[in-house]
Amino acid sequence: EVQLVESGGGLVQPGGSLRLSCAVSGFTFSSYWMSWVRQAPGKGLEWVANIKQDGTEKYYVDSVKGRFTISRDNAKNSLFLQMNSLRAEDTAVYYCARASSGGSRNPLDFWGQGTLVTVSS
Amino acid sequence: SYVLTQPPSVSVAPGKTARITCGGNNIESKSVHWYQQRPGQAPVLVIYFDSDRPSGIPARFSGSNSGNTATLTISRVEAGDEADYYCQVWDSNSDHYVFGTGTKVTVL
Repeated sequence: EVQLVESGGGLVQPGGSLRLSCAVSGFTFSSYWMSWVRQAPGKGLEWVANIKQDGTEKYYVDSVKGRFTISRDNAKNSLFLQMNSLRAEDTAVYYCARASSGGSRNPLDFWGQGTLVTVSS
Repeated sequence: SYVLTQPPSVSVAPGKTARITCGGNNIESKSVHWYQQRPGQAPVLVIYFDSDRPSGIPARFSGSNSGNTATLTISRVEAGDEADYYCQVWDSNSDHYVFGTGTKVTVL
């Protein structure tokens, strides 16, 4: 059974940092592009970043470029999102998701349950 | 950047058909995926590559894509179909996934 479990969310002050993790099981993690998607309270879905199977390619939405870093550890079946210089507008539930069939532009076929990040003083 | 526009809400009676549109410039040149998100839950893929259904998704869910509009159709709507629905494409110009604005489906 495919499982994605996010952790690391919480309350952080503006300007602070947080590192999210996503532990996966049930599939060959190293064979898939992975993404982070977020959803602000009461709002729609927003794609944040994705990373190639070997970590050599990474893409980000403009609003997080230079502040967020996506990474992965294939040996530990884990995906990460390092978030620095956090702003109130980064408050959201953050989901990790798998791109189907290994393609960078393929649909996101499995999602975790999400972890809530709240940026507030 | 590429923009996908959906109606904020669609209301439908049980047993009837719901159609949710997703508008984008020449969207027919892109592959469109659709997600269902029930309250408090993670999104679930219901249609991919315009009209394919993942295993476990009822045949009542179908999709099409033509011109500037993609459409998700839910036939014989049930109470359990009440959810938010999002379309999504990959924008090759920006190397970004783009989500639509989302549509709340209410079953009357």
